[in-house]
Amino acid sequence: QVQLVQSGAEVKRPGASVKISCQSSGYTFGYHYVHWVRQAPGQGPQWMGLIIPDEGRTTYAEDFRGRVTVTSDTSTSTTFMELSSLRSEDTAVYYCARERAYGGRYFYDHWGQGTLVTVSS
Amino acid sequence: DIQMTQSPASLSASVGDRVTITCRASQTISSYLNWYQQKPGKAPKILIYAASSLQIGVPSRFSGSGFGTEFTLTISSLQPEDFATYYCQQTNSNPPHFGQGTRLEIK
Repeated sequence: QVQLVQSGAEVKRPGASVKISCQSSGYTFGYHYVHWVRQAPGQGPQWMGLIIPDEGRTTYAEDFRGRVTVTSDTSTSTTFMELSSLRSEDTAVYYCARERAYGGRYFYDHWGQGTLVTVSS
Repeated sequence: DIQMTQSPASLSASVGDRVTITCRASQTISSYLNWYQQKPGKAPKILIYAASSLQIGVPSRFSGSGFGTEFTLTISSLQPEDFATYYCQQTNSNPPHFGQGTRLEIK
């Protein structure tokens, strides 16, 4: 069965960086884009960016441009999301999600379990 | 950016009730609208895509409708497991914003 398994919770100081992994299994890694979405406490989900896993091509949200880097390792079917210059407002649960495409558009049909990142001095 | 606005922000209802949640887009998005259900501590789960297509495995009491800028999610007869938060998401253009959510609570 399709699974996306993320790395564990992180606690970081303001100004630091965090790198989260998302390992995919149960499907052909290169066939589906992987998106990253975060959710701050009590808020709706916020899209951060996506990667085309076998090409390494990325698109990022303007809100995170310059601070976020998404990469992929096809040998391990793993996607990584690194967020730099962390501030307290970056405290959130971070999710990876698999894109299911249809007619040029898409939805997320499988999600990772989420990784809590806490930014605190 | 296309902004998504959901109403109401919260809703109290009883088992067996019919409920409707509305999502409005700040500009036309054709039918590129998804609905997700999220329970505490869990990732969102897809219910409806393309405004009205039911994802495989989702109960038929869930339905979606709409086109352009106004969309609805209807639950025909609430079950205990339906009490959760619901989000709409547009995928017409990047960034694929979500609505702020509708929390469905037990009356």
